Amino acid sequence: AQTVTQSQPEMSVQEAETVTLSCTYDTSENNYYLFWYKQPPSRQMILVIRQEAYKQQNATENRFSVNFQKAAKSFSLKISDSQLGDTAMYFCAFMKLNFGNEKLTFGTGTRLTIIP
Amino acid sequence: EAQVTQNPRYLITVTGKKLTVTCSQNMNHEYMSWYRQDPGLGLRQIYYSMNVEVTDKGDVPEGYKVSRKEKRNFPLILESPSPNQTSLYFCASSSQGPGNEKLFFGSGTQLSVL
Repeated sequence: AQTVTQSQPEMSVQEAETVTLSCTYDTSENNYYLFWYKQPPSRQMILVIRQEAYKQQNATENRFSVNFQKAAKSFSLKISDSQLGDTAMYFCAFMKLNFGNEKLTFGTGTRLTIIP
Repeated sequence: EAQVTQNPRYLITVTGKKLTVTCSQNMNHEYMSWYRQDPGLGLRQIYYSMNVEVTDKGDVPEGYKVSRKEKRNFPLILESPSPNQTSLYFCASSSQGPGNEKLFFGSGTQLSVL
């Protein structure tokens, strides 16, 4: 079974600074997907970024980028030039490459607060 | 607008009183699933469905039922709710395929069982 670990329950950073959220996972699979989801106070789950394990290049989406280290099973999220709207709960998630149950296995989340 | 609609957003009930949380998607997605979110535990899958009349258990199915009679709807049924089912529930859907499409989430249903 896959497990996802987020070791930082809470983090805070000053507006405009850069912050990195950590995520490690455990799997015996070789092909899979990794995700970061953002959950603001509205509760909506918003996909931030997605990484296919077979791609060596790290995914980026505007101010969001990942550091994907497949051998180390690490998938950290870097937020550059942080903004007040980045305040949210962030979940790392894993999905096995599978025709069938597209189940996401989530970490326990990191609550990020951007300080004005 | 493409969306997953859950109702209600908030629900307070008492132990043993049957309830249904509805979920509907307008994207013609084959795949739908239910998660519950609890503090310190992240989100955990309850049930999923790969198509009409095809459902299967996720990681925490005890105390829940689902049905998939139509492609767009995937209701979550609690026949006899208990306080340990107090949680935030999410419905999600996607086109069939291994990560080809992202999961679209509903807005969540906060359930309190007294």
